[in-house]
Amino acid sequence: GAVVSQHPSRVICKSGTSVKIECRSLDFQATTMFWYRQFPKQSLMLMATSNEGSKATYEQGVEKDKFLINHASLTLSTLTVTSAHPEDSSFYICSAPHREVYSGANVLTFGAGSRLTVL
Amino acid sequence: RKEVEQDPGPFNVPEGATVAFNCTYSNSASQSFFWYRQDCRKEPKLLMSVYSSGNEDGRFTAQLNRASQYISLLIRDSKLSDSATYLCVVTVNDYKLSFGAGTTVTVRA
Repeated sequence: GAVVSQHPSRVICKSGTSVKIECRSLDFQATTMFWYRQFPKQSLMLMATSNEGSKATYEQGVEKDKFLINHASLTLSTLTVTSAHPEDSSFYICSAPHREVYSGANVLTFGAGSRLTVL
Repeated sequence: RKEVEQDPGPFNVPEGATVAFNCTYSNSASQSFFWYRQDCRKEPKLLMSVYSSGNEDGRFTAQLNRASQYISLLIRDSKLSDSATYLCVVTVNDYKLSFGAGTTVTVRA
């Protein structure tokens, strides 16, 4: 089945540094990638939608200059948390839609997530 | 009103019990419906798609009620391993997917 590979799975960094998270679709083309953030015991929150070859669309309240998204190819989307601070510590997950063979419906496949801890 | 709403639970049930919960959606143009399962500190994984006629996968049964705009998930003969958060995902088109905040199920021995 469709797989989205997300790296790194875990990262610890100092306050003020930038962290890049990559999501790759391994066996399908992901023209769209969704980026989420999840704080402990809370639900997934959509941050932005990236589209290959165009600018990402950010949800209300998400700073585009802080969370840089690049969707450079049909199989790679990256999220860079710039000048990270402790309050940015969270679980970041990407997902890409792809066609389900049986129904033809668009199904989301999620990456394994990246746990960011900013000291 | 949120596009997709779920009872957050938690639903605490003994092993072997049946548990069921719903997810309501607001957009009548919604086309596709899914249940995902998310374990603690893990990514969501597709549990099952929900088809118009309803469908079953082992102990799991999903139903769609378009008239009342909700989908349901029923788990029979609950196992300890069924403890998780269940997310419903609703799509309007290829690029508009909405998901609920999740329903937490805890199965106790």
